[in-house]
Amino acid sequence: QKEVEQDPGPLSVPEGAIVSLNCTYSNSAFQYFMWYRQYSRKGPELLMYTYSSGNKEDGRFTAQVDKSSKYISLFIRDSQPSDSATYLCAMSAAGGSYIPTFGRGTSLIVHP
Amino acid sequence: DGGITQSPKYLFRKEGQNVTLSCEQNLNHDAMYWYRQDPGQGLRLIYYSQIVNDFQKGDIAEGYSVSREKKESFPLTVTSAQKNPTAFYLCASSAAPGQGVGNQPQHFGDGTRLSIL
Repeated sequence: QKEVEQDPGPLSVPEGAIVSLNCTYSNSAFQYFMWYRQYSRKGPELLMYTYSSGNKEDGRFTAQVDKSSKYISLFIRDSQPSDSATYLCAMSAAGGSYIPTFGRGTSLIVHP
Repeated sequence: DGGITQSPKYLFRKEGQNVTLSCEQNLNHDAMYWYRQDPGQGLRLIYYSQIVNDFQKGDIAEGYSVSREKKESFPLTVTSAQKNPTAFYLCASSAAPGQGVGNQPQHFGDGTRLSIL
């Protein structure tokens, strides 16, 4: 079992839909959680960064962490064609090695 | 604007040739990283450096070498020993974990796509 699991998709939704992207993990030491957006032929761009459990909102994006279930989510409201990209989750443990472990990414397609 | 600059954007390697990928950051970050991204495989860590003149191997260091002579720069050399170098290479940097602020997220450059001639 990989430390971080992420469905590769593709996930295809109509414009305006609410999108839910998810990752599960097995390492209970993970405390820091990140979501990145990667457009084709570009580097990943940091979207959300959260510590421990709870929700964080930034515009149309909401990151949710449920440490008891080892499950994190990224919600995108009012999705736009410009949101079409690959979304990577990443997480790291406090103390020791702080190098994050990345999911493989979920491809999202928002069609007009 | 602060950021990470990778060059060149595209690079071609001949058999038996070493090639060097450049990575420069002006974010004043202590830590820098090199990843390789292959379709369907996610990001794999090649090397990382937490401080000038020091670096550690990642998960797939064989066939690669790095140097960290300046805080701003972390070049990656893909040697002829790397038999399957075709991939998208990403450089990242982050602030070192600090007291009270914990782990800091990585910021990425826009990558170099390396292909075999």
